[in-house]
Amino acid sequence: EVQLVESGGGLVQPGRSLRLSCATSGFTFDDYTMYWVRQTPGKGLEWVSGISWDSGSTIYADSVKGRFTISRDNAKNSLFLQMNSLRPEDTALYYCAKGRFGVVSYDFEYWGRGTLVTVSS
Amino acid sequence: SVLTQSPGTLSLSPGERATLSCRASQSVSSSYLAWYQQKPGQAPRLLIYGASNRATGIADRFRGSGSGTDFTLTISRLEPEDFAVYYCQLYDASPMYTFGQGTKLEI
Repeated sequence: EVQLVESGGGLVQPGRSLRLSCATSGFTFDDYTMYWVRQTPGKGLEWVSGISWDSGSTIYADSVKGRFTISRDNAKNSLFLQMNSLRPEDTALYYCAKGRFGVVSYDFEYWGRGTLVTVSS
Repeated sequence: SVLTQSPGTLSLSPGERATLSCRASQSVSSSYLAWYQQKPGQAPRLLIYGASNRATGIADRFRGSGSGTDFTLTISRLEPEDFAVYYCQLYDASPMYTFGQGTKLEI
């Protein structure tokens, strides 16, 4: 059974940093692209970032480019999102998601339950 | 591309047929269009990929269709567990992934 479990969310002040983690199991982690997607009541679902199986390609939404960094540790079957210079508009439930392919996936096959990030002073 | 879903809310009864629409602002490849179901307090679940392919474990009452700018998710006979919010999602080569605003399917 595929499992994705996010952690690392919490309350943080604007301008500060936070690192999210996603522990995975039930599939061959280093065969697949991985993603972060966030959700807010107001803006709905928003794709944040993605990474290829070998970390050779990373992509970001314009809204987070230059502030967020995605990475993965294939030896530990884990995905990460380093979030710097956080803004109130980054407040959301952050999901880790698995792609269907290794280099580029067109959709998100499995999702974790999410970790809540709140950016507020 | 911008994705526009309609209707915003669809009120039906178990056993009825549901038809949900997703319109793209420009013509897109069918390979890049997916549908998700989200129930309260749960993560989205992939239903359909490539516009018409059911994901693993998805019941055959869910059917995706369409091409170009107009795509449809049809649920042939609604079960009580089908009442949820449905999102369409598009990949483009920017690269970027875009979601529609969702259709709430309620009893």
